[in-house]
Amino acid sequence: DARVTQTPRHKVTEMGQEVTMRCQPILGHNTVFWYRQTMMQGLELLAYFRNRAPLDDSGMPKDRFSAEMPDATLATLKIQPSEPRDSAVYFCASGLNWEETQYFGPGTRLLVL
Amino acid sequence: GNSVTQMEGPVTLSEEAFLTINCTYTATGYPSLFWYVQYPGEGLQLLLKATKADDKGSNKGFEATYRKETTSFHLEKGSVQVSDSAVYFCALSRSSNTGKLIFGQGTTLQVKP
Repeated sequence: DARVTQTPRHKVTEMGQEVTMRCQPILGHNTVFWYRQTMMQGLELLAYFRNRAPLDDSGMPKDRFSAEMPDATLATLKIQPSEPRDSAVYFCASGLNWEETQYFGPGTRLLVL
Repeated sequence: GNSVTQMEGPVTLSEEAFLTINCTYTATGYPSLFWYVQYPGEGLQLLLKATKADDKGSNKGFEATYRKETTSFHLEKGSVQVSDSAVYFCALSRSSNTGKLIFGQGTTLQVKP
């Protein structure tokens, strides 16, 4: 049963620290998405990759957030420096672009103090 | 632009009651439509989808019909269970062959025994 995995599942850090979240998409999937979920804003798309190339990161604060795919089995989302307003659940999802269905990981719950 | 609007929650029902969660959309072209479900502490999972007008998606007793004339994709279930308690998201595909989705704000369903 193929699944998207995300690490860490929970992260508590202090303001100003760097946070790195990792995602392993389902093997063979060529699209990867990063979402942020908060009570106030709901589900927001931060970045989108196809075949490891970033296609859309317009939803991501550029000054502190960065997203990369070093290889087909790993996607990373970094926040540097982190701020309390970054506290949220961050989801990674993968898929095949022609199928449209996205498969979500369990999320990383981030708390910035 | 493309958008999805869902009825506000929470929706609270007794077990075995009939469920309807309204979803309407605005889109150019002919998007595919989706319902995702998020159980507590988990990521989103695809519940059902429909790819063209008048299609009916169904899964686990849930149904939704793609109504182009009313731009709607309402989710229904004839008899809900406590285990159906979750957040339900309506979504549409932004454009073909990209895999990107636009999500509604989510509707929380609480089913009481």
